[in-house]
Amino acid sequence: DTGVSQNPRHKITKRGQNVTFRCDPISEHNRLYWYRQTLGQGPEFLTYFQNEAQLEKSRLLSDRFSAERPKGSFSTLEIQRTEQGDSAMYLCASSLAGTPNTEAFFGQGTRLTVV
Amino acid sequence: GQQVMQIPQYQHVQEGEDFTTYCNSSTTLSNIQWYKQRPGGHPVFLIQLVKSGEVKKQKRLTFQFGEAKKNSSLHITATQTTDVGTYFCAGPQGGSQGNLIFGKGTKLSVKP
Repeated sequence: DTGVSQNPRHKITKRGQNVTFRCDPISEHNRLYWYRQTLGQGPEFLTYFQNEAQLEKSRLLSDRFSAERPKGSFSTLEIQRTEQGDSAMYLCASSLAGTPNTEAFFGQGTRLTVV
Repeated sequence: GQQVMQIPQYQHVQEGEDFTTYCNSSTTLSNIQWYKQRPGGHPVFLIQLVKSGEVKKQKRLTFQFGEAKKNSSLHITATQTTDVGTYFCAGPQGGSQGNLIFGKGTKLSVKP
């Protein structure tokens, strides 16, 4: 499978626990994005990387959220001290910068439920 | 802040009827993209429009980018049950090189 892969697909955690999600982008893509989607809403931008550099972070991304892309390949998104409001689908997407068509390829997402 | 708005939020049609969703941005966009998300699925890229007044067709789908590059529409002719899903428009956030702002989407249901 050469698409964007996200793990785990589902995560249930107790409030206050830390969680980490992983995203493996399409191998030749240099841009990687994290979005959050809640029911009935469009994806909301969280952050994005070009290669290993984190270039933008949304104001939505509180101090409890951190993302890394250490070698410019896979990325992790960690949420510390989870809150019920963090329950959402976390989507990863990748694209190839510098091409005329900048379409983003999305993974199937990680659904987080904080109880 | 910059906003991308879509109407309607929901649309229920009989199979064979046409469907249109409209997208409006509070700012001029360098390009606009459309995505489709099936129930339980993830957004899948449909098309990107770049030029003012651009019209592109994909089989029964017609996409249009407004002259002022602030609005766009997606029209589906003779809907089929396979068209069911939520259609999102998205545009680059001003000053950003990578961030896309999505509308809330139009959820289409098709009654056979």
